[in-house]
Amino acid sequence: NAGVTQTPKFRILKIGQSMTLQCTQDMNHNYMYWYRQDPGMGLKLIYYSVGAGITDKGEVPNGYNVSRSTTEDFPLRLELAAPSQTSVYFCASSYVRPDTEAFFGQGTRLTVV
Amino acid sequence: KNEVEQSPQNLTAQEGEFITINCSYSVGISALHWLQQHPGGGIVSLFMLSSGKKKHGRLIATINIQEKHSSLHITASHPRDSAVYICAVNMYSGGGADGLTFGKGTHLIIQP
Repeated sequence: NAGVTQTPKFRILKIGQSMTLQCTQDMNHNYMYWYRQDPGMGLKLIYYSVGAGITDKGEVPNGYNVSRSTTEDFPLRLELAAPSQTSVYFCASSYVRPDTEAFFGQGTRLTVV
Repeated sequence: KNEVEQSPQNLTAQEGEFITINCSYSVGISALHWLQQHPGGGIVSLFMLSSGKKKHGRLIATINIQEKHSSLHITASHPRDSAVYICAVNMYSGGGADGLTFGKGTHLIIQP
């Protein structure tokens, strides 16, 4: 099993550009999450999904959008990138209940210049 | 808003030493997670606890629900244990569906 796969690993964007961070899991997990990690801070929840077709905002959703058309995929869309979105992004998933083991992707390091 | 506090923030120790990292939280939780992150790397789950104690190799995790406190211990530490260790919780309210709440992490360096 591949687990949680994120692409790309690194990306540099110019201010105002858009991009999609891809996340795929092959464990048939219901719950999927996007977090961002900034230096010296704990990870913050951007968006989450409890199943296909259902998404909800987390703590820091502004400037992002998500969709969940299938159980496997949970892409994160950045529209009009801003320097404040420079961060490391992690996708995660967990099984039927959210308070079960969490599986993380390898992260995407995004720089907005 | 739940707050997860970890201590120490930074820890440097010699190879072979017994290591303890602490985590305190302020509200009810359904589970607590210990995670490991190597420099530039992804995040790996070490333990998930809702009560008691778990052991995996040289790693031991304990939780005291009444005191809202958890500890991660590393016995016979080794340079390859150098990493950031992160405590995270599923808040009890809402069943934890809204993801994990994270501490800021403990940066551990084990010197040979």
